[in-house]
Amino acid sequence: SQQGEEDPQALSIQEGENATMNCSYKTSINNLQWYRQNSGRGLVHLILIRSNEREKHSGRLRVTLDTSKKSSSLLITASRAADTASYFCATVSVGNQAGTALIFGKGTTLSVSS
Amino acid sequence: KAGVTQTPRYLIKTRGQQVTLSCSPISGHRSVSWYQQTPGQGLQFLFEYFSETQRNKGNFPGRFSGRQFSNSRSEMNVSTLELGDSALYLCASSFLGDTQYFGPGTRLTVL
Repeated sequence: SQQGEEDPQALSIQEGENATMNCSYKTSINNLQWYRQNSGRGLVHLILIRSNEREKHSGRLRVTLDTSKKSSSLLITASRAADTASYFCATVSVGNQAGTALIFGKGTTLSVSS
Repeated sequence: KAGVTQTPRYLIKTRGQQVTLSCSPISGHRSVSWYQQTPGQGLQFLFEYFSETQRNKGNFPGRFSGRQFSNSRSEMNVSTLELGDSALYLCASSFLGDTQYFGPGTRLTVL
């Protein structure tokens, strides 16, 4: 079952612009992660934010987490054509049986044109 | 370190057959998870293995099974294939149980 819902489903921007994607989830979480996928290939881990963190940065990426609203956002600054991909948020729920099962949202497809 | 490897990369089977997919995790990683990705259902968790024991299981029928060997390599098996099993099957390994590193996937087509 899907945990997260990304918004928007698709996003088209020009190189140099910022891209913001949002993710909402349903249950209490241990952490939330963002992944990128290029054209049906494997997923690449971008960033992990824990439930007691509110914001995290990694290069051109900024992630925020609001546990009271059960939502997160991913901001990519100064987008490049190479950022064109699908982006997924994934959560690990509290009470997960000592495992690391990721529950994914449906993803946002980002298209960056030059 | 070498990344997660999956074999084969592409597979075509017919309904009713069975299939075995293989995954070699990053050296030192003891947790291996499997996911199914389809256009309709998206990315769904199948199961996770840690030190040869299944630690977590998703909501899939018993036709889907897996195992992990002492060297942490993992296999998943799907018996009595159905058309709906056509998907990209992704394997991921993890060291501390947080960040998961994914392989390139196996594209299974069931005819």
